[in-house]
Amino acid sequence: QVQLQESGPGLVKPSETLSLTCSVSGDSISSYYWSWIRQPPGKGLEYIGYMFYSGSTNYNPSLKSRVTMSLDSSKNQFSLKVTTMTAADTAVYYCARARNPPYYGGNRFDYWGQGILVTVSS
Amino acid sequence: QSALTQPASVSGSPGQSITISCTGTTSDVGGYDYVSWYQQHPGKAPKLMIYDVNNRPSGVSNRFSGSKSGNTASLTISGLQPEDEGDYYCNSYTVTTSLVVFGGGTKLTVL
Repeated sequence: QVQLQESGPGLVKPSETLSLTCSVSGDSISSYYWSWIRQPPGKGLEYIGYMFYSGSTNYNPSLKSRVTMSLDSSKNQFSLKVTTMTAADTAVYYCARARNPPYYGGNRFDYWGQGILVTVSS
Repeated sequence: QSALTQPASVSGSPGQSITISCTGTTSDVGGYDYVSWYQQHPGKAPKLMIYDVNNRPSGVSNRFSGSKSGNTASLTISGLQPEDEGDYYCNSYTVTTSLVVFGGGTKLTVL
């Protein structure tokens, strides 16, 4: 059974950098596309971007200048960094798995983490 | 990137059928058969219900079905049950950014 688990700080100060990790169990991180998706409280889902195990990435243009994704295959983990956090970045952050890139059905997220609430506040 | 357009809310009585629409453009919904639907209960992660317009993952009830016409995709739930209540999101591939775009979400109330 594939399981994803987000970890990281629940509280970040404005202007600081958020670092989250998604630990994957039950399958290898190789050969899949790993995405981050966030959901502000009471609002809808926003796609942040994805990373392939080869290292290729693609980020939402609205966040591209502040986002970096990375992957550690030895730990079966992938990570998200968002710089210069503001109150507008307060959200539940989810990691999710897709079997293909977006242009080939990679909008099909078959496994999700339970989500981690990140609040931006001083 | 603009979100796909969904109605804010729909409702139905147990046993009835409802349909949720998801409207995009030729750059996303209308141009590709890559539309998925997700169900989300409060405090939980979204769950994949339909992928590639009209395919159900293993374990999803056949009461859930998907379709597409032009730039609008639809999710139909037949034989509504109380546990169907929750939020539903569509998403699609968009050639505009070569990424994924989500709909704004629809709250389903089972009366």
